[in-house]
Amino acid sequence: QVQLVESGGGLVKPGGSLRLSCAASGFTFSDYYMNWIRQAPGKGLEWVSSISRGGSTIYYADSVKGRFTISRDNAENSVYLEMISLRADDTAVYYCARSYGAYSYFDSWGQGTLVTVSS
Amino acid sequence: IQLTQSPSFLSASVGDRVTITCRASQGISTYLAWYQQKAGKDPKVLIYAASTLESGVPSRFSGSGSGTDFTLTISSLQPEDFAAYYCQQLNSYPLTFGGGTKVEIK
Repeated sequence: QVQLVESGGGLVKPGGSLRLSCAASGFTFSDYYMNWIRQAPGKGLEWVSSISRGGSTIYYADSVKGRFTISRDNAENSVYLEMISLRADDTAVYYCARSYGAYSYFDSWGQGTLVTVSS
Repeated sequence: IQLTQSPSFLSASVGDRVTITCRASQGISTYLAWYQQKAGKDPKVLIYAASTLESGVPSRFSGSGSGTDFTLTISSLQPEDFAAYYCQQLNSYPLTFGGGTKVEIK
């Protein structure tokens, strides 16, 4: 069955960096767009970034543009989110999710990984 | 594109008919999905393309609308339906979610 497993979250100081990973299994990874979505404690969902099947097309939310970098390795069935210059308002559970196209809904989500930015 | 969901909080009883609305700041055709999120869990898609029921989702859930105004309806609320619900527009980037509606037991 489809499985998405995020890892790499943790506690980091403001201005620090972190790399999140999402390992996929149970489907042909290269057939899907991959996405990152975050949810601050007690708040709603916020889309963060999306990457196309081959990695050539990438989108970012304005709130993370220039600080976060999405990438993927289709040989490893994984998508990554490199985060630098982290701020307190980046504190959230980060989910990865797949979608069949750039304008398709997110049909499978991971369980999330918590990123806490605090001194 | 901003999505405004209402209400943000809803108190209802088992068996009630519940309607949640989502209004887009500009037309998005039917590029809208609805998700359910239970406490501490990842979101699950209920409806996509505004009115198409995802496989495995109970038929008491339905969606309607196009353009700027959309609704999610639960025809007869069940105990397992108490959760948060979010709409999402997929018409253009940046993708956006509505602020959410929390459905609690009356």
